[in-house]
Amino acid sequence: ETGVTQTPRHLVMGMTNKKSLKCEQHLGHNAMYWYKQSAKKPLELMFVYSLEERVENNSVPSRFSPECPNSSHLFLHLHTLQPEDSALYLCASSQGHPESNQPQHFGDGTRLSIL
Amino acid sequence: GNSVTQMEGPVTLSEEAFLTINCTYTATGYPSLFWYVQYPGEGLQLLLKATKADDKGSNKGFEATYRKETTSFHLEKGSVQVSDSAVYFCALNAGGTSYGKLTFGQGTILTVHP
Repeated sequence: ETGVTQTPRHLVMGMTNKKSLKCEQHLGHNAMYWYKQSAKKPLELMFVYSLEERVENNSVPSRFSPECPNSSHLFLHLHTLQPEDSALYLCASSQGHPESNQPQHFGDGTRLSIL
Repeated sequence: GNSVTQMEGPVTLSEEAFLTINCTYTATGYPSLFWYVQYPGEGLQLLLKATKADDKGSNKGFEATYRKETTSFHLEKGSVQVSDSAVYFCALNAGGTSYGKLTFGQGTILTVHP
């Protein structure tokens, strides 16, 4: 039990579909992250939320839309994705300010396949 | 900017062999350093960490020492097992943000054969 739960674990969708990935953390953390992990590429940080406010958006296409309704939940809304968006999407959380040197805790990811 | 460089993989070893995975970093200030492990089909798990120079992090037989003079944080294990087969990521937190941003290395695949 990692304390960070992601659903679904696997998702197959067409390019015209709309779907959402969900992340929930039970650790009392106040920062949450979305990462993209593709084969043979480094881990890519997509979005960061700190105290429910988006603090980083690393040039992510608008077809990915994050939402953080509270400090325990994080969503990634998907719309008209491309085949190159197939990847493992990882959510993480950490105890931010004032202990910003604390490690991040990861969920098991959602394996996304775009047809 | 901050960066982490890991030795290229994949690394293939026989059971009970000695493991070293090199990691060097570039950062301003005094970063915290981490090793994460990713088993097949799972997310990243924190393996060990060190928050200041000369600290040694250890867990499950793995060790890494924070060497400021060589800007390194090499991962070692004296006797690997088949169950250690995974991808290993070195990472740093250089501070300067309120939320603990990590910079990751590219990952090193380790395969251990019986």
